[in-house]
Amino acid sequence: AQRVTQPEKLLSVFKGAPVELKCNYSYSGSPELFWYVQYSRQRLQLLLRHISRESIKGFTADLNKGETSFHLKKPFAQEEDSAMYYCALSAQNSGYSTLTFGKGTMLLVSP
Amino acid sequence: DGGITQSPKYLFRKEGQNVTLSCEQNLNHDAMYWYRQDPGQGLRLIYYSQIVNDFQKGDIAEGYSVSREKKESFPLTVTSAQKNPTAFYLCASSTADSYSYEQYFGPGTRLTVT
Repeated sequence: AQRVTQPEKLLSVFKGAPVELKCNYSYSGSPELFWYVQYSRQRLQLLLRHISRESIKGFTADLNKGETSFHLKKPFAQEEDSAMYYCALSAQNSGYSTLTFGKGTMLLVSP
Repeated sequence: DGGITQSPKYLFRKEGQNVTLSCEQNLNHDAMYWYRQDPGQGLRLIYYSQIVNDFQKGDIAEGYSVSREKKESFPLTVTSAQKNPTAFYLCASSTADSYSYEQYFGPGTRLTVT
C-alpha cells in the first residue's frame, strides 16, 4: 500500500527565510505527486504537481525517486504563505486512481 | 457560480441518528470523493465514485454509506455505526480520464455528534 509521510506538524520561519517542507513516500509503482494547500478560511486547493515541473507562488518541488522524496521549497518565505500544506500521491487501485494524503504541515511565517 | 457545494456548513446531531451530508458539483466531473479531515490526521478517503451508479470504499468506509444516482451529486450518510463521527468532511471531484488529475474541493461540512 502507498504511504505519504510529512515529518513536521509545524514549521515556523521568519519572513524572507528559506522554506523546505518535507515529504517522503512509499509506492511500488510510478508515483504522481502533488502539493495541496489550505489557506485560512479557504478551500483546499492544488499548489503544484511534479509532472508539470512548474513554480507556483515561488514554490518548487522536485521528485527524487532515489530518496522517495518530494520536498516543497521556497527561497524567501512571505507572510501570505502561512497555511496548511499537504503532500499527496496518486495511485492506481483496481483500475481507479485515488489520492493518498500526508498528515500535513502547518507553515507559519512571522514578520 | 461554478464548483462544488457542500451543505450545510455546520451540522449537529444526537448520537444514534443517521445524517446525510450533501455534495453537488457543476464541473461535469465524472469522479467524486469523500474525505474526513481530523486534526493531525490529514485527509482520509471514505468513499469514491468514478461513474454514476458505481462507487468504491476508501480507507475508512466503515460506518458510512454513499449513493451516486446523478453525475452531479454524491451524498454521504454517516450512520449510527460510525464510532467517532464528529469531524470535518470534505467532498471533492475530478476528471477521471487522466492519471495526473487535479481534485477540486468543496468548502466542507463540520459535523458534531453529541
